[in-house]
Amino acid sequence: ETGVTQTPRHLVMGMTNKKSLKCEQHLGHNAMYWYKQSAKKPLELMFVYNFKEQTENNSVPSRFSPECPNSSHLFLHLHTLQPEDSALYLCASSQGPAGGLADSYNEQFFGPGTRLTVL
Amino acid sequence: AQSVAQPEDQVNVAEGNPLTVKCTYSVSGNPYLFWYVQYPNRGLQFLLKYITGDNLVKGSYGFEAEFNKSQTSFHLKKPSALVSDSALYFCAVRHSRNAGNMLTFGGGTRLMVKP
Repeated sequence: ETGVTQTPRHLVMGMTNKKSLKCEQHLGHNAMYWYKQSAKKPLELMFVYNFKEQTENNSVPSRFSPECPNSSHLFLHLHTLQPEDSALYLCASSQGPAGGLADSYNEQFFGPGTRLTVL
Repeated sequence: AQSVAQPEDQVNVAEGNPLTVKCTYSVSGNPYLFWYVQYPNRGLQFLLKYITGDNLVKGSYGFEAEFNKSQTSFHLKKPSALVSDSALYFCAVRHSRNAGNMLTFGGGTRLMVKP
C-alpha cells in the first residue's frame, strides 16, 4: 500500500467513549501531522511530530492525545469528546527537517481522513 | 504572524473557460506558498508550490499560479476549466517562524465548473 492511510474512515462515538484514530505513511517521511477540518473553520493544525518527537501542540484540549511510536505511524487517542469535536480529522506527512530547521519547504501528503461524529 | 486569505467562498465557471481562484498572504520574510485541492471524501492533494525563482509556477492537472510580491498574491489559474476540476481549493503559506514544514491554510474556495 502506498501513500498515507487512515483508519477508520468513519467513526461514531458517544461522549464517554474512548477511541483511537490511526495514520500510517508508506513514503519514508519523518514528519507527521494531525489536522482538524470542520465546516465552520479552515484546516486547523493540531500536532506535529518530527522524528517521533512532538514539536508542536497547537493548544489542543487534553481530551485529544497523540502518540507517535515510530516515523511511519501516528495515533490520535480520543476520550470524553464533545459534540463540537465532530469533524474530519486529517493526517499528513512530509519529508521534514529534524529540529525545525529553516528553509524547509517540502509539501505535505495527506491521508483521506476520518469522519468523526460525537453524539 | 502569517495569514492567508481566500476572498471567495465559491467560484463558478463554465467548462472550457479560464478560471482563477484568488489567494493573498501575509508573512514576514520570504513567502513559501502552496496550493492544495480536496475532492469530496478525500484528503488534500498537492498541486503546486512557489519557493523562489520564476513568478509563474506550473503544477498538476494543468494548473498554474502567479506569484505577485507587490500585491502579496498567489492566484491559481487554469486556461480551460474541466467539470472534473470541481473541488475545494486551499492556499497555504509556510509558517514564518523556524518551524519546518508547518503551514497556515486559507479558508478554502469551492470551484464549481458547469458543463
